[in-house]
Amino acid sequence: GAVVSQHPSRVICKSGTSVKIECRSLDFQATTMFWYRQFPKQSLMLMATSNEGSKATYEQGVEKDKFLINHASLTLSTLTVTSAHPEDSSFYICSARDPGALTDTQYFGPGTRLTVL
Amino acid sequence: AQSVTQLGSHVSVSEGALVLLRCNYSSSVPPYLFWYVQYPNQGLQLLLKYTTGATLVKGINGFEAEFKKSETSFHLTKPSAHMSDAAEYFCAVRSLGGATNKLIFGTGTLLAVQP
Repeated sequence: GAVVSQHPSRVICKSGTSVKIECRSLDFQATTMFWYRQFPKQSLMLMATSNEGSKATYEQGVEKDKFLINHASLTLSTLTVTSAHPEDSSFYICSARDPGALTDTQYFGPGTRLTVL
Repeated sequence: AQSVTQLGSHVSVSEGALVLLRCNYSSSVPPYLFWYVQYPNQGLQLLLKYTTGATLVKGINGFEAEFKKSETSFHLTKPSAHMSDAAEYFCAVRSLGGATNKLIFGTGTLLAVQP
């Protein structure tokens, strides 16, 4: 299947700093990417839908100024956690929709473990 | 609104035994249902999906799932577990509406396979 990468896989940062996470579709062009957050023993919660060339659509309760999303190209979306705090510590997973694949097929990245001290 | 419930956060089976992972859904419209598997330190991989048509869906690695509308279920099965099946499994339903259809995930079931 299609490959989606994330970088970094793990990041530890100090409270108040900003962290950028990259999501890349390696062998297809993704007009739509999704960002999820996963707490221990909980579901993947959709944070936002990232559309190439336009503003991201955020889910209810997700602060768009806190979680900045940029989808500047068909193969790259970035999530920046601004002024991170310990409560932002979580596992962040992206996915990309391959428009050439079966309807609604999303390919997932391996996730990024964020720890805010 | 759509939702999914996975019964059993942890399931342990012996190698060669039947695997049964339960998923129940709630949907006000005919659902699209998915099972994903997540191996350690890897992304989610699509196992199988149900959209329309045949209610018994076959996926990769010998897994299959049956859509039962009367029971609002989409349980995942495999006749004989293999050690390599140890992973976390997520059931998901497509949420309709808006410009982009989204996936709503269950809380996941961690499958352990004992030798």
